[in-house]
Amino acid sequence: GAGVSQTPSNKVTEKGKYVELRCDPISGHTALYWYRQSLGQGPEFLIYFQGTGAADDSGLPNDRFFAVRPEGSVSTLKIQRTERGDSAVYLCASSLTGSGGAHEQYFGPGTRLTVT
Amino acid sequence: GENVEQHPSTLSVQEGDSAVIKCTYSDSASNYFPWYKQELGKGPQLIIDIRSNVGEKKDQRIAVTLNKTAKHFSLHITETQPEDSAVYFCAANLLNRGGTSYGKLTFGQGTILTVHP
Repeated sequence: GAGVSQTPSNKVTEKGKYVELRCDPISGHTALYWYRQSLGQGPEFLIYFQGTGAADDSGLPNDRFFAVRPEGSVSTLKIQRTERGDSAVYLCASSLTGSGGAHEQYFGPGTRLTVT
Repeated sequence: GENVEQHPSTLSVQEGDSAVIKCTYSDSASNYFPWYKQELGKGPQLIIDIRSNVGEKKDQRIAVTLNKTAKHFSLHITETQPEDSAVYFCAANLLNRGGTSYGKLTFGQGTILTVHP
């Protein structure tokens, strides 16, 4: 079946602009995660949704970052007043359920964000 | 919070040799340890995982071992092939503030594996 998809695959924006990154999880997966991966590093957790609600947003670096999942499927990560330090690959993952222990997370291809 | 250390950062082997990557974690409550393979320009791909009630798990040429007492786990790849060349990440499950485990992963820094034909 279809995996996790993310759009756009690449996004170049100017410092100070607003960007939106989209994630389509695997159908039926209730849990959705956003991670950020800088060059040469492992993914770093940003936010986790269980259904429509953000169960944990402790990884969001500051209030310029916000994410929504209004219908419990597609999610959008929004970044306001982008800074050059926001440049990274933004990864989305989904899992069948997020509660009660260990559940496999499946990642999308990522969106490479470059802030000039 | 949880901290995961991974080594080596780079590993070069000849085709057919074995490769071993090791990780340590800090939070003794962690209970789930997946391994991911990431190829250039792609997202991480889950290749094997192990849960804390198991000491070893195998899947064809790949095996993972877990030592809960020492808080370390390892990935073993036997009979390596050039297509195994990629970046490998270990990860550990992190408890949330309420103490419930729900799948938030903390990743190691990655190991660049190169298999020479």
